[in-house]
Amino acid sequence: GDSVTQTEGLVTVTEGLPVKLNCTYQTTYLTIAFFWYVQYLNEAPQVLLKSSTDNKRTEHQGFHATLHKSSSSFHLQKSSAQLSDSALYYCAPASSGSWQLIFGSGTQLTVMP
Amino acid sequence: DMKVTQMPRYLIKRMGENVLLECGQDMSHETMYWYRQDPGLGLQLIYISYDVDSNSEGDIPKGYRVSRKKREHFSLILDSAKTNQTSVYFCASSPGTGRDTLYFGAGTRLSVL
Repeated sequence: GDSVTQTEGLVTVTEGLPVKLNCTYQTTYLTIAFFWYVQYLNEAPQVLLKSSTDNKRTEHQGFHATLHKSSSSFHLQKSSAQLSDSALYYCAPASSGSWQLIFGSGTQLTVMP
Repeated sequence: DMKVTQMPRYLIKRMGENVLLECGQDMSHETMYWYRQDPGLGLQLIYISYDVDSNSEGDIPKGYRVSRKKREHFSLILDSAKTNQTSVYFCASSPGTGRDTLYFGAGTRLSVL
């Protein structure tokens, strides 16, 4: 069956340094779109980035990601992490084989001063 | 103001009691969802509803049932709650299919003692 692989569960980075969270999708179907959701402490998940265009860079709130449909990947990056970026990040791809998103297990990002 | 509202926010029940979690949305979205969130497991889909009285099981439906009698309202019912149903439950809605952006409620933290 389909599965989503995210960067290991806990990532710690120093404020001001770059951060990259990986996400790949294993599917026998066509990858249609990818989403990144962010969940701050005691809040609801909310969409951070989304893309359905192959090889196009998408940016929001200083984060960026490029959808590569051929490799079913949508890695999340930021050039300079901020303390306020500390949160739980979920990758969620959509494929032609399913009517709903599949969520990865999540990556807890902690930005240290 | 687009919103998904969940009630209650916190709930403590005893094992064997019935539990009703309620969710409302004011965006006239067709599709609504119930997820549970557990540490290390991410967001697991319990049920999805494509419209009034059109519900489908998600990945972990056992022990749960749902009701959707109005488009804007979606309920999750636990008949005879079990301790392993202690979790945070999120309701979400999306305008079309599950490949669209999901809008999440603030969550209900349920403890079953």
